[in-house]
Amino acid sequence: QMQLVESGGGVVQPGRSLRLSCRASGFTFNNFGMFWVRQAPGKGLEWMALIWSDGSNKDYVDSVKGRFTISRDNSKNMLYLQMNYLRVEDTAMYYCVKSEGSGRGKNDALEMWGQGTMVTVSS
Amino acid sequence: QSVLTQPPSVSGAPGQRVTISCTGSRSNIGAGFDVHWYQLFPGKAPKLLIYGNNIRPAGVSERFSGSKSGTSASLAITGLQAEDEADFHCQSYDNRLYGLVFGGGTKLTVL
Repeated sequence: QMQLVESGGGVVQPGRSLRLSCRASGFTFNNFGMFWVRQAPGKGLEWMALIWSDGSNKDYVDSVKGRFTISRDNSKNMLYLQMNYLRVEDTAMYYCVKSEGSGRGKNDALEMWGQGTMVTVSS
Repeated sequence: QSVLTQPPSVSGAPGQRVTISCTGSRSNIGAGFDVHWYQLFPGKAPKLLIYGNNIRPAGVSERFSGSKSGTSASLAITGLQAEDEADFHCQSYDNRLYGLVFGGGTKLTVL
């Protein structure tokens, strides 16, 4: 059974850092691109970061470029999101998401989602 | 403000049919990129409902269907059931923003 389980969320002060983790199971992790997608309270979904299946390419939404870093360890079936210089507007539920493909395809759907981990940035 | 536009809410009685629109532009849906739909329940993992504009993943009820025309897409739900109550979000790719774009989500209420 395919599963994604996020961890690492919590309450953090503005300007501080947090590292999210996602453990994947039930599928060949190194064959698929992975995303982090977030949903702020009362708002729509927003993609944060993408990493290709082999980790050779990473991309970010403009609002987090230079602050967030996506990475993966294919030997451990793990996905990570290092979040630095957190802002109040980063408060959201963060989802680990498996792409339908390797991450290269612009038409690939977000095939499977974790339950999410909540990040609250507040002083 | 989301790049794709969805109505904030729709409602219908059990057994009825409802549709949810998703309006984009020439840089996303109108550029030929596929539209995908996701179903979100509070406290649960979001679920892929429709991919490639009109394809249902295995296990998704035939009561759900998708379509796309021009710069818009639609999700139709027939034979409404109480358990369909959820938030629905559309998604595509935008070649001006160079990334995924989503709608703001539509809350379905079964009366």
